[in-house]
Amino acid sequence: QVQLQQSGAELAKPGSSVKISCKASGYTFTSYYISWIKQTTGQGLEYIGYINTGSGGTNYNEKFKGKATLTVDKSSSTAFMQLSSLTPDDSAVYYCAEGHYWGQGVMVTVSS
Amino acid sequence: DIQMTQSPSVLSASVGDRVTLNCKASQNINKYLNWYQQKLGEAPKLLIYNTNNLQTGIPSRFSGSGSGTDYTLTISSLQPEDVATYFCFQHNSWPTFGAGTKLELK
Repeated sequence: QVQLQQSGAELAKPGSSVKISCKASGYTFTSYYISWIKQTTGQGLEYIGYINTGSGGTNYNEKFKGKATLTVDKSSSTAFMQLSSLTPDDSAVYYCAEGHYWGQGVMVTVSS
Repeated sequence: DIQMTQSPSVLSASVGDRVTLNCKASQNINKYLNWYQQKLGEAPKLLIYNTNNLQTGIPSRFSGSGSGTDYTLTISSLQPEDVATYFCFQHNSWPTFGAGTKLELK
């Protein structure tokens, strides 16, 4: 069955970067885009963007341009999202999703 | 971006009740509307895609309908395990989510 296994929780300092992963299994990785979604109590669910897992092409929500960078490693069926210049507003749970299936989420906490 | 407005924000109902959740888009989304269920501490789970298609493994008491700007998720007979927050999601244009309806047991 389709599974998206995300990396573990991150505690990061303001100004730093984190890179979270999303390993796919149970389907042909390059057949479907991977999306990334941010969830906070205050802002709800926000669609960050997606990556074409075959070509590596990306499309970002204007709000997250310069904040999020999406990449893939086809050899390991893994998608990545790097978040840079972190501020406390970046503290959230981040999900990857393939069409109908979502990863379990990664909690990112930004604190000094 | 298309704004998605869900109502009510909180709904209290009894086991066995027929429950209706609403989602209104700021413009026509051509039935590209999904419904997700999120239980506390879990990832959202897809229930319905493209307005009225039941995702594999989802109980048949869940159904969806709508067109244009107005969409509905119906639970025909509420079960205790249905307590959750429900989100609508449009993917007709740049994807956006509703703020959610929290479903509680009365």
